[in-house]
Amino acid sequence: GESVGLHLPTLSVQEGDNSIINCAYSNSASDYFIWYKQESGKGPQFIIDIRSNMDKRQGQRVTVLLNKTVKHLSLQIAATQPGDSAVYFCAENPLGDYKLSFGAGTTVTVRA
Amino acid sequence: ETGVTQTPRHLVMGMTNKKSLKCEQHLGHNAMYWYKQSAKKPLELMFVYSLEERVENNSVPSRFSPECPNSSHLFLHLHTLQPEDSALYLCASSQGGGNEKLFFGSGTQLSVL
Repeated sequence: GESVGLHLPTLSVQEGDNSIINCAYSNSASDYFIWYKQESGKGPQFIIDIRSNMDKRQGQRVTVLLNKTVKHLSLQIAATQPGDSAVYFCAENPLGDYKLSFGAGTTVTVRA
Repeated sequence: ETGVTQTPRHLVMGMTNKKSLKCEQHLGHNAMYWYKQSAKKPLELMFVYSLEERVENNSVPSRFSPECPNSSHLFLHLHTLQPEDSALYLCASSQGGGNEKLFFGSGTQLSVL
C-alpha cells in the first residue's frame, strides 16, 4: 500500500495567513523527504527537501519540519499568496535508491 | 522552465495506434525517469534509466516500451494501449543515483479512446 500520505486532501487559506500542510509516512527507514508543488497544467516543481539527520529546514517563505518520532512531515508557507494555490505533494525515499514514494497530494486554495 | 522538456503536451490515440512520447533534459543529469499520474492517485514510478541503462522497471505492462539513446533523451513508446492508460505521463531527471530531488517536465496528457 501507499507509504506516504497527507492528512487532508484540501486546504483553504486566507491570503496573507500561514499555511501548514501535513504528511504522515510509515517507513521508519526513510532518510530523505521532499515537498513538491504542482500547478495546473504543469509538472511537479521542487520546493524543499530534508534529510533525516535534520528536524527543520527553511527556504524562502517555506519551512519543512520533520518529526521522526511520530513519522510526520509538514510544510509551512508563510504569508500565503494567490500564486501558492496548487497541489502539494510530499515524497519519501525509504531505500535510498531511485524510488521516491509520493503521497496523493493536498490541494491548497488561497482566498483573496 | 525546469530544464526538462516533454513533447507532445497532449496526445489522443486509439487503442490500435502506436505513438511515442519524447523527453529531453538540458541539465546535464545522469538519470531519467518516467512517471504516470492519474487523477486522485499518487505518482507511480514506471521506469528509471541511469547512464542510459535501465535500472528500474516497476512492473509496467509491455505495451509501454522505454528507450534511452543517450543521457539527455528519453522516449516512451506506446502500443495497443487501453483506456485505463489515459493519464498524465511525466518525465523527470536527477543528477545521479537516487536519494535526491527530481526535476520534472510538464508532462504529456494522454487520452486513449
